[in-house]
Amino acid sequence: QSALTQPASVSGSPGQSITISCTGTSSDVGGYNYVSWYQQHPGKAPKLMIYEVSNRPSGVSNRFSGSKSGNTASLTISGLQAEDEADYYCSSYTSSSTLGVFGGGTKLTVL
Amino acid sequence: EVQLVESGGGLVKPGGSLRLSCAASGFTFSNAWMSWVRQAPGKGLEWVGRIKSKTDGGTTDYAAPVKGRFTISRDDSKNTLYLQMNSLKTEDTAVYYCTTEGSSWYFDYWGQGTLVTVSS
Repeated sequence: QSALTQPASVSGSPGQSITISCTGTSSDVGGYNYVSWYQQHPGKAPKLMIYEVSNRPSGVSNRFSGSKSGNTASLTISGLQAEDEADYYCSSYTSSSTLGVFGGGTKLTVL
Repeated sequence: EVQLVESGGGLVKPGGSLRLSCAASGFTFSNAWMSWVRQAPGKGLEWVGRIKSKTDGGTTDYAAPVKGRFTISRDDSKNTLYLQMNSLKTEDTAVYYCTTEGSSWYFDYWGQGTLVTVSS
């Protein structure tokens, strides 16, 4: 069982917006602004999409945005495109000895 | 262009050892904090451990499941990161990714990964 909880799957039609949640505790998501999000296409390495809750690395589309409220972080993808179909993982720093944790991943299907 | 190229994966028996390497280029490796992240077949991502830059102490941190069995090291003269894995278990079977680590717990560049299979 992953330390951070994500929905197993979400779906949306092209052009729509979707939001993926990532729920932790006050020891990780709620305690630090060190939440990041990764996109992974099948057979490929993960790609950083969001860091420090809401910052986008250079080159990442502004259709991707991040936010946090309490112990839950969220990734929103607006104007869904077919190429957005992938697995998405959240991660957070944690005060435990493990230092950091990932969510179990969410499979995004673009209908 | 940042490049991270892992090598050294393969099939090993339970209780065996394996050393992974990660050749880095396109950035100042000696200044970088580096991490290993793994992904079991069909499963999610799991942080394995990291090594800080020598200027930040060069210390290492490990996830609980690998602490005492895995050792991360670096050779800044060769721009190479290593992961020495001992006392391997079947549950260590995974693709192992080498990553750069940002200043606030994020992994900004990833290698293509190398598969480690622990099986008798």
